[in-house]
Amino acid sequence: DVKVTQSSRYLVKRTGEKVFLECVQDMDHENMFWYRQDPGLGLRLIYFSYDVKMKEKGDIPEGYSVSREKKERFSLILESASTNQTSMYLCASSLEGGDSYNEQFFGPGTRLTVL
Amino acid sequence: RKEVEQDPGPFNVPEGATVAFNCTYSNSASQSFFWYRQDCRKEPKLLMSVYSSGNEDGRFTAQLNRASQYISLLIRDSKLSDSATYLCVVNTEDKIIFGKGTRLHILP
Repeated sequence: DVKVTQSSRYLVKRTGEKVFLECVQDMDHENMFWYRQDPGLGLRLIYFSYDVKMKEKGDIPEGYSVSREKKERFSLILESASTNQTSMYLCASSLEGGDSYNEQFFGPGTRLTVL
Repeated sequence: RKEVEQDPGPFNVPEGATVAFNCTYSNSASQSFFWYRQDCRKEPKLLMSVYSSGNEDGRFTAQLNRASQYISLLIRDSKLSDSATYLCVVNTEDKIIFGKGTRLHILP
């Protein structure tokens, strides 16, 4: 069974703090993704990575950065958290599929609240 | 027109009934299509792929209409456990787009 784990289920931070969200997958997947999910807005892609040390901006990268030093780990960093970054953050991974799509497996999510 | 559009619902359906909902997409070059299911406070999980010829998996049937640019999901003999949000996913030129989801409530 594919397993994607995220470091925290719930997190409360203060405005201006640096926040690290960690994601680890155990199936040797090449692709990893970070999304945020908000009511009425659905899933929005923040960043993705298709290989170690590679990263690509998604639809809403502003205010975020990522790090992929190892294949199994993909970190999302909020350099200076703001209240509008309060959200559910979902990590996902998938096999490299070239032009085709491979199923994305999601972690359980981290609900981040920024006060 | 939005890239991927779904009726947000909720669809309130009595147990045992048949329910269907659609997802429209704007890019005719879209290559592959999927339905994901997301339970309340849980992560999305793949329900089924959508093939050009249509496909069935037990009580679930997925269809693709390329001419009108929509996919559909039909659930027969609905169960209480089918209550969830159903997300359509469209793969277009290496971009993966999730719909915002349709909420389904099965009523006892």
